[in-house]
Amino acid sequence: GAVVSQHPSWVICKSGTSVKIECRSLDFQATTMFWYRQFPKQSLMLMATSNEGSKATYEQGVEKDKFLINHASLTLSTLTVTSAHPEDSSFYICSARAGGRGNEQFFGPGTRLTVL
Amino acid sequence: QKEVEQDPGPLSVPEGAIVSLNCTYSNSAFQYFMWYRQYSRKGPELLMYTYSSGNKEDGRFTAQVDKSSKYISLFIRDSQPSDSATYLCAMSQFTGTASKLTFGTGTRLQVTL
Repeated sequence: GAVVSQHPSWVICKSGTSVKIECRSLDFQATTMFWYRQFPKQSLMLMATSNEGSKATYEQGVEKDKFLINHASLTLSTLTVTSAHPEDSSFYICSARAGGRGNEQFFGPGTRLTVL
Repeated sequence: QKEVEQDPGPLSVPEGAIVSLNCTYSNSAFQYFMWYRQYSRKGPELLMYTYSSGNKEDGRFTAQVDKSSKYISLFIRDSQPSDSATYLCAMSQFTGTASKLTFGTGTRLQVTL
C-alpha cells in the first residue's frame, strides 16, 4: 500500500513554455500533498504544501505565480511550472500523506525537468 | 547553522559490514524521526519511522533516537550491495494536518563486493 505515482517521469521543454506534472496517490486518499525540488547531490527542498480543496501554502522564496499547484481531489495534485527557464531544470518530487497516519509521507518517483 | 546536519559522505563499506548513519539537529521541538532511502534518480522510500527517543528494529535496520543529545542514527547490519543508495534523515514537529518534514542533506552509501 501507500503508492504514489508521478507523470511524466521526465520532460524536456523549451524555455518559455509551461509544464504540468501530476502526482497521484493510488491506494489511499491524501489529505495533504507536498511538492519538493531536488538539485543534484542536494537534499529535498520543500516548495509548497497543498490540502485538497484549498490554496497551496508556499515556502519562502518560492514564486506562487510561477509554480501553480492544484489539489483538486484527494488523489491528485498537479504542479505547473509556468514560463519555464533553464534554471528551473531540476528533479521535482511529490509526496502524499494520508489522514490518520501521523506524519509519514510517501514519495512519488520524481519528475526530471530539463528546460532548454 | 542548518536545522538538520548530516554528513554527505560518500561512505564506502565492504559487503557484510555494519553501517552507521547519523544526523544531528538543533530544534528540540522535533518529535517524529524518519529515515528514507533514495536510489539515483528515484523518489525517497520510507525505511523507518520513530516517535520520540528509543530504538526501533526492522529486519537488518535499526533506528535510534536520542532526544537529549539531539542525535539520531540508522544502523544497517549485514550490508548488501543493494543497500548502496543515499540515506536521508527527516524529522518533524507535529503541528497539525500540514506538519512539514525537514531533511538532512543525505549520506551516500556504497557497499562494495
